[in-house]
Amino acid sequence: GQNIDQPTEMTATEGAIVQINCTYQTSGFNGLFWYQQHAGEAPTFLSYNVLDGLEEKGRFSSFLSRSKGYSYLLLKELQMKDSASYLCAARSASKIIFGSGTRLSIRP
Amino acid sequence: EAGVAQSPRYKIIEKRQSVAFWCNPISGHATLYWYQQILGQGPKLLIQFQNNGVVDDSQLPKDRFSAERLKGVDSTLKIQPAKLEDSAVYLCASSLGDRGFPGELFFGEGSRLTVL
Repeated sequence: GQNIDQPTEMTATEGAIVQINCTYQTSGFNGLFWYQQHAGEAPTFLSYNVLDGLEEKGRFSSFLSRSKGYSYLLLKELQMKDSASYLCAARSASKIIFGSGTRLSIRP
Repeated sequence: EAGVAQSPRYKIIEKRQSVAFWCNPISGHATLYWYQQILGQGPKLLIQFQNNGVVDDSQLPKDRFSAERLKGVDSTLKIQPAKLEDSAVYLCASSLGDRGFPGELFFGEGSRLTVL
């Protein structure tokens, strides 16, 4: 079967760092996406990992360990606008399966 | 570059009525997806097209949902008859598919359905 797990909610402080974890079990895995979704809006692409390791893009970084079925999204220098849901999605063959999302709240 | 277009943005119907949603993907994108997103949950794949052929519809409730992609461009998703549990946002997404960056999805703004 296919299963993607991530925490339901997280809270962090403006200016701090937060790590959102994701574990997955999928057959035919060939990549891991992170999407950001603000309330009432469509998801937007943040990152894509297909090989093990860390990919850095500005304040956001994403890590993948294929052997452990594990990924995380790291957000640095948090800003209030980062309050959103963060969706982990696994690519399995030609399908992209989403987790339930982590709702991140930023407090001043 | 124009994004993924969807309509209508909002629709309110009573249970047992029918509804149709339309999607126009980004020009040149071979792959088109319909996702259902219930409030507080992640998007659930309903159907995936590659050009005008169905790649996956394993989670589409075929007794009430249907979708087509004529000529490999626009797509429509229909629900008939609707149930209360169909209340959700229906997201259309497109991607270049295997010909380009592997699978980044570009989403439309979604069609929010409320079934009373």
